[in-house]
Amino acid sequence: AQKVTQAQTEISVVEKEDVTLDCVYETRDTTYYLFWYKQPPSGELVFLIRRNSFDEQNEISGRYSWNFQKSTSSFNFTITASQVVDSAVYFCALSEASNNNDMRFGAGTRLTVKP
Amino acid sequence: DTAVSQTPKYLVTQMGNDKSIKCEQNLGHDTMYWYKQDSKKFLKIMFSYNNKELIINETVPNRFSPKSPDKAHLNLHINSLELGDSAVYFCASNQPGPIRETQYFGPGTRLLVL
Repeated sequence: AQKVTQAQTEISVVEKEDVTLDCVYETRDTTYYLFWYKQPPSGELVFLIRRNSFDEQNEISGRYSWNFQKSTSSFNFTITASQVVDSAVYFCALSEASNNNDMRFGAGTRLTVKP
Repeated sequence: DTAVSQTPKYLVTQMGNDKSIKCEQNLGHDTMYWYKQDSKKFLKIMFSYNNKELIINETVPNRFSPKSPDKAHLNLHINSLELGDSAVYFCASNQPGPIRETQYFGPGTRLLVL
């Protein structure tokens, strides 16, 4: 069974602080895919990143960066110099190659960035 | 040129009614999904359809039935609505294959059962 844990239910920071959202996953598959989605207050789900299990290279996109570590089964997400517009619920998700198109989401982390 | 669209955006109805939510994607994807997001923001997959074939059916009550007239549409029909059905329902689509493609989501339909 696949499982995604986002232990941080809510995080509150002040603008310009850096913040890291944790994601730990469990899977028996050797081939799997990890995702991060953002859900702003308006409610839509916005795709941020996809990472394959065989590609552990970290990724940076502007103020966003992701740290994928298979040794600890983690796929953490860092926002540098946070802004008020980053306030949202962030979801980590896992999809196993053997589990036909099934994507399981973590419970989400609500990030509030205060001015 | 919305990729995944859902109608209606909001739906308020009485217990016992039957309602449908429509979903359309213009991405040419072969697989479409329905998710339910409860009041605690927990997202759970309900169904997926690949070329008109149901390939995932989680433990969802049979009051819920997905209907796919073609691969660009996956509608969700709900019979005998209950209070517990109140949630946000998201449609999504992707192109399955050896490399798991990203699922893209619609804007959500906020269902409130009174």
